[in-house]
Amino acid sequence: LAKTTQPISMDSYEGQEVNITCSHNNIATNDYITWYQQFPSQGPRFIIQGYKTKVTNEVASLFIPADRKSSTLSLPRVSLSDTAVYYCLVVGGGKLIFGQGTELSVKP
Amino acid sequence: NAGVMQNPRHLVRRRGQEARLRCSPMKGHSHVYWYRQLPEEGLKFMVYLQKENIIDESGMPKERFSAEFPKEGPSILRIQQVVRGDSAAYFCASSPRGDVTDTQYFGPGTRLTVL
Repeated sequence: LAKTTQPISMDSYEGQEVNITCSHNNIATNDYITWYQQFPSQGPRFIIQGYKTKVTNEVASLFIPADRKSSTLSLPRVSLSDTAVYYCLVVGGGKLIFGQGTELSVKP
Repeated sequence: NAGVMQNPRHLVRRRGQEARLRCSPMKGHSHVYWYRQLPEEGLKFMVYLQKENIIDESGMPKERFSAEFPKEGPSILRIQQVVRGDSAAYFCASSPRGDVTDTQYFGPGTRLTVL
């Protein structure tokens, strides 16, 4: 499974748009890109998944360039409750391989 | 539609005792995954099971750890003769089909503390 690289931490303020970029240079043809969110003392929660171009749901958008070697999770107008760790994963079926994730801190 | 359920939520054991962690997948899901999260670290895959079958146990320690997902009842992760290094949060996830586009839904976890 392809390894992912993402920033260890990010700071933002309420109401701002937050973009978290993830690198996955060795992504395979059949792999999908998936993002999870984890709050302290809770299990990860699925945010969004995509294969190429752009995917949008009620929570976030996911941008994937044509070469698929990176992806960007976009969180519009973050609030304090979006403070969490965000994991970028490359998924080929079966087990999920979690990296360190990006610790997002949203300040008032 | 209840989510993934895990019990107990907190478990305290003394060194050498056995720990049994239970996971009930979401209704209609026949694929279960166990992950372990050590303090200040990301989740690490342990084992992937389908009903009555172990599909992938590449992340499971070779000794003291075992997992099952019987035809009836919850999935069980069993740790024998626990040691302090087993203290961690253990998360279970489930999915309906196990294919690449399946979403894995996670439970709230069981926090194991070994004294």
